[in-house]
Amino acid sequence: ILNVEQSPQSLHVQEGDSTNFTCSFPSSNFYALHWYRWETAKSPEALFVMTLNGDEKKKGRISATLNTKEGYSYLYIKGSQPEDSATYLCAPNTNAGKSTFGDGTTLTVKP
Amino acid sequence: DTGVSQDPRHKITKRGQNVTFRCDPISEHNRLYWYRQTLGQGPEFLTYFQNEAQLEKSRLLSDRFSAERPKGSFSTLEIQRTEQGDSAMYLCASSLGAHLAKNIQYFGAGTRLSVL
Repeated sequence: ILNVEQSPQSLHVQEGDSTNFTCSFPSSNFYALHWYRWETAKSPEALFVMTLNGDEKKKGRISATLNTKEGYSYLYIKGSQPEDSATYLCAPNTNAGKSTFGDGTTLTVKP
Repeated sequence: DTGVSQDPRHKITKRGQNVTFRCDPISEHNRLYWYRQTLGQGPEFLTYFQNEAQLEKSRLLSDRFSAERPKGSFSTLEIQRTEQGDSAMYLCASSLGAHLAKNIQYFGAGTRLSVL
C-alpha cells in the first residue's frame, strides 16, 4: 500500500487569491500520477495525468508540476473563484493501473 | 447519459442484512474499480476488474465483501452480514485500460450505505 500524503488537509481563501497544495508519494517504482477534483454532491473528475519528472500541466487557471525523484507534486490555482471550491485528490498509479488516493485537500473559496 | 452509473444512490439497512450494489461502467471501458470512501478520507481501493477477471482485492477487505463482473460489463458489490462500520460511500469507476492516459478513471455518483 502506497503512503500518499496531501497537505494541507483544508484551505480557506478569498476569491482572487492564488493557492497551492502538495501531494507526497513514494518515489520508488513511480509510474504515473493523477489529480482529480471532487465537488460536493458530484463525482470525482480527472484533472491531469502526469508521468515524467519535471512535467507541468495546465488547464485554465489550474496547473500542476511533478517531481518523481523526490516524490511530490504541486497543484496551483491562480486567482481562485468560488467554483473552484472542491476537494482535490491525487492518486499515484502502479504500472498495473492501480490507484492509491490521498485524503485530499478541501478548498473553500469565499466570495 | 453515457457516464458511469451506480444503483442505488442511497441504501439504509439494518445490521446483519445483506446488500448489493450495481455499477454500470462506460461501455467501451475494460477496467472497473470499486472504492470505499468515509468522511475526511480519500477513496480507499477495494477491488478491480479487467473485463470479467478480478485482478486484485484489497487485503483490508473482509470475506463478507464480494464483487463480480460476470460478462465484463456491469459489476455488483455484495456485502453480507453488514456491520455499522460498513457505513460509507461506495464508489465505482471505469477506465479504458491500465496505462497512462487510458487509466483516467471516470467515477459514478456513488452509493451511500447507512447501516443502523
